Amino acid sequence: GQQVMQIPQYQHVQEGEDFTTYCNSSTTLSNIQWYKQRPGGHPVFLIQLVKSGEVKKQKRLTFQFGEAKKNSSLHITATQTTDVGTYFCAGPKAAGNKLTFGGGTRVLVKP
Amino acid sequence: DAGITQSPRYKITETGRQVTLMCHQTWSHSYMFWYRQDLGHGLRLIYYSAAADITDKGEVPDGYVVSRSKTENFPLTLESATRSQTSVYFCASRLSGRQETQYFGPGTRLLVL
Repeated sequence: GQQVMQIPQYQHVQEGEDFTTYCNSSTTLSNIQWYKQRPGGHPVFLIQLVKSGEVKKQKRLTFQFGEAKKNSSLHITATQTTDVGTYFCAGPKAAGNKLTFGGGTRVLVKP
Repeated sequence: DAGITQSPRYKITETGRQVTLMCHQTWSHSYMFWYRQDLGHGLRLIYYSAAADITDKGEVPDGYVVSRSKTENFPLTLESATRSQTSVYFCASRLSGRQETQYFGPGTRLLVL
């Protein structure tokens, strides 16, 4: 079945540095969504990418959808302590109306 | 704007007891979902519902029962709780199609002793 993998599983980042987390699907996706979950909180929608090669920015966050629509990345510039949390990517299954979530990248920021 | 709520937020129960987790949404979203989140496993889908009276299994449905008699409510029942069901449970809803955003409830932290 469809699998969505995220790497790395954990990311320790020095405050002020940049980092990138990656999402890879075993199948082509019609769209990909990114969610953020703060410690002790619930997943919150960040963004959706639909088009091949699409790039979207939210302040210091840059999201990209691969040309083949099988992978995506999230790049955070000048990491802040407010970026702490787990970032999930999710893509819809080919059949049905379910989202397949990646395992998440847990981001820890060192001040 | 209440959005999507879950109750209880915290629950401690014993092995073998029946437990029902409630989920309520005020948006009239067609789709509702139940996930469990365990360390190292991300979000795993338990059951979902496309509309009232329509439910279907997700990845890990064993030991759980759902119902959806009204669009706004989607309770999850653990018929005979086991320790392996200790987890954080999230309910989510979505308006309709696959390109719609999913909105998550605040979660229920369940401990089975």
